[in-house]
Formats: sequence, structure tokens, C-alpha cells
Amino acid sequence: AQRVTQPEKLLSVFKGAPVELKCNYSYSGSPELFWYVQYSRQRLQLLLRHISRESIKGFTADLNKGETSFHLKKPFAQEEDSAMYYCALLEYGNKLVFGAGTILRVKS
Amino acid sequence: GAGVSQSPRYKVAKRGQDVALRCDPISGHVSLFWYQQALGQGPEFLTYFQNEAQLDKSGLPSDRFFAERPEGSVSTLKIQRTQQEDSAVYLCASSPRVGEQFFGPGTRLTVL
Repeated sequence: AQRVTQPEKLLSVFKGAPVELKCNYSYSGSPELFWYVQYSRQRLQLLLRHISRESIKGFTADLNKGETSFHLKKPFAQEEDSAMYYCALLEYGNKLVFGAGTILRVKS
Repeated sequence: GAGVSQSPRYKVAKRGQDVALRCDPISGHVSLFWYQQALGQGPEFLTYFQNEAQLDKSGLPSDRFFAERPEGSVSTLKIQRTQQEDSAVYLCASSPRVGEQFFGPGTRLTVL
């Protein structure tokens, strides 16, 4: 079965420090991967998708097929980045398979 | 513009009671999804509609769960004879294109 693993439940960093949220996947095919974010008291929303290869709010993510990873990175964390982050894989049939999520806490 | 809306936002049910959860998608979005999110977990797929057709219901955990979207817009997720393990947040999402899903605020169901 297709699976998405986010090994860290909580990642705590200081403001200005680099951030890397880990995501590994298993998929038999050519994967399409996403990062979704949920800020406090807000709904889940798309942050970025690997095929667009864009940087959103300073975040980037590169698909590494050899390591089956899609880690989310930002060089300098800001307090407003504190949120729950979910990595997700698009499965055949248009449905998303989500990881368990990582809480990012940026301390001042 | 209005996003995806869900009602009720909170529902408390006694075990054995039937519940109905409603989703209003973004106008014009053809695809609609239901997910179940247990505490501390990511959303898990339940079912998917394209217009009024239910194309995938492989994630529905039992035959107590039923979803419909009769006119290709509003959708209802019904849970019959609720059990404690049904307690979760139920998320609805609508989609204008493959992979990009817009989520509603969710309905938090608590079964006592």
C-alpha cells in the first residue's frame, strides 16, 4: 500500500534557524507529492506541490526519487511558520494519502 | 469568495444514533472528497465524487457509512448506528483540478 511517513511529531526551532520537515513515501509509480499546512484555528490548505517547483512563503521541497523523500525546507524560520504540516501523496484515483503530520514550533 | 463549508461544526451523538454531516463545496468544483481525521493522525480518505457519481468509496470503514451527492453539488455523509470509534473530525474537500484540494473546516463528531 502507498504510504507517507513523517518521522517527527514535533519540530521545535528558534526564529532565524533553518527548518527541515522530513517526509518519506512508498509508491509504485511516478509519485506526485504535496505539502499541506494547517495554521492555528484555520483549515487545512495547500502549501506547495512538487510539480510546480515553486517556493511558497520561503519554503521549498525537492522530490528525491532515490531516497523516496520530499523534505520541506526553509532557510530562516519565522514565528508565523508555526503550524501543523502534512506531507501527502496523490494516489491513483485522485485521492490524497497523508502522513501523520509534524508540528512546527518556532520560538522567539 | 466563499470556501468549502461544513455543518454542523460540532456534533455529539449517543452511541447507536444516526448522524448526517453536510458539505457545501466551492461552486463549480467537480470533485468532492470526504476524509476522516482521528486525533493525532493525518486525514484518511473515505470517498470521492465526480459530479454526482461516487467513483471511489474504498475508504468507508463499514457499511454504516454512506455518502451521497445527488445533484453534483452539496454532499452528505451519513453514519448509522454510531460507535465510539467513529469519533473523529470529518473533513470535506472540493477540487478544481487533480491534486489541489480545498478543505472545509471539518465537523468534529464525538460519540458518547
